[in-house]
Amino acid sequence: DTAVSQTPKYLVTQMGNDKSIKCEQNLGHDTMYWYKQDSKKFLKIMFSYNNKELIINETVPNRFSPKSPDKAHLNLHINSLELGDSAVYFCASSLTSVYTDTQYFGPGTRLTVL
Amino acid sequence: SQKIEQNSEALNIQEGKTATLTCNYTNYSPAYLQWYRQDPGRGPVFLLLIRENEKEKRKERLKVTFDTTLKQSLFHITASQPADSATYLCALDPNSGNTPLVFGKGTRLSVIA
Repeated sequence: DTAVSQTPKYLVTQMGNDKSIKCEQNLGHDTMYWYKQDSKKFLKIMFSYNNKELIINETVPNRFSPKSPDKAHLNLHINSLELGDSAVYFCASSLTSVYTDTQYFGPGTRLTVL
Repeated sequence: SQKIEQNSEALNIQEGKTATLTCNYTNYSPAYLQWYRQDPGRGPVFLLLIRENEKEKRKERLKVTFDTTLKQSLFHITASQPADSATYLCALDPNSGNTPLVFGKGTRLSVIA
């Protein structure tokens, strides 16, 4: 059973479109994250939710809107996509929001904006 | 400015040798540091965590050291195997309020048979 799953794995779209990426974890964790890994391979936190509540929002444009319907799901909706949004987006989860907790990452969603 | 740097983008070593990867940081005072492995097309996988009061941590063929004076962590893989080929990321806790983990860019290790 996959611990952290994301859909879709690949997403190719035109500039200006709106798209969503879904994430689900079956680990019973309280905390979930969205990371962006750009072409230079830096992995940067975007958002963190703890028990459906937003706890971290790292200076991300408000075109990005996370939604957590329950603590097992954290979806990412992106409006008006731009070329610079092309990257791999990783979802992750941890038992709690304490940073010593191991983070479990999903397989990533490669977003290409044309 | 705050920085976290991993010694080289790529490191090639012969099978059976010890691989040593470096993570240096500037203007952080982390309470702990983590190492992750990332294979192509996959998400990072946690390997080891070391706290500021620990000098060394081991797990099977892996060893991590943490020197808060030098502001450096070393990650060693002994008796390396081709299956160890991957990108290795270090990540630290900035130890300031609610700030999340900060990741280095990673070092791509290739173990040649």
